[in-house]
Amino acid sequence: AQTVTQSQPEMSVQEAETVTLSCTYDTSESNYYLFWYKQPPSRQMILVIRQEAYKQQNATENRFSVNFQKAAKSFSLKISDSQLGDTAMYFCAFMSGNEKLTFGTGTRLTIIP
Amino acid sequence: GAGVSQTPSNKVTEKGKYVELRCDPISGHTALYWYRQSLGQGPEFLIYFQGTGAADDSGLPNDRFFAVRPEGSVSTLKIQRTERGDSAVYLCASSSLGGPQETQYFGPGTRLLVL
Repeated sequence: AQTVTQSQPEMSVQEAETVTLSCTYDTSESNYYLFWYKQPPSRQMILVIRQEAYKQQNATENRFSVNFQKAAKSFSLKISDSQLGDTAMYFCAFMSGNEKLTFGTGTRLTIIP
Repeated sequence: GAGVSQTPSNKVTEKGKYVELRCDPISGHTALYWYRQSLGQGPEFLIYFQGTGAADDSGLPNDRFFAVRPEGSVSTLKIQRTERGDSAVYLCASSSLGGPQETQYFGPGTRLLVL
């Protein structure tokens, strides 16, 4: 079974600074996908970024980028120039050959004005 | 266009009662998912539909939980003989065709409280 671990329950950072959220996972699969989802107080999960394991290049989406270390089974999210609207719960998630997303326990991120 | 909607937003019921939670996916999406999110946890997979059929129901915790999608659009999650441990936010998601390359779009969830 796959597991996803987020070891930082809470983080805070000043507006406009850069913050990195950590995620590690465990799997015996060779091909899989990794995701970061954002969950604001409205509860609606929003996809932030996706990484395919067979791609060596780290995914980027505007201010969001990942550091994917396949051998270490690590998948961190970097948010640059953080904004107040980035305040939310962030979940790391994993999907392999089936349709199930396996989520970590989340990191509560607060952007301080 | 409209996103995934879920009704009701909140549901309070008594232990032992039956509840139904509804999900309206994005129009045209063939894949539909149910997840359960307990307090302080990430969502946990319950069931996945491709069209009208349940392609994977391995996440349903026991036979008190059942879900249907009779016309391949709206889905209903049904919980019989509710228990206090069923209290959680139930999230629904849909994607165009299914698979990891298709984005799962989530609804706002139904918060279920069993007293």
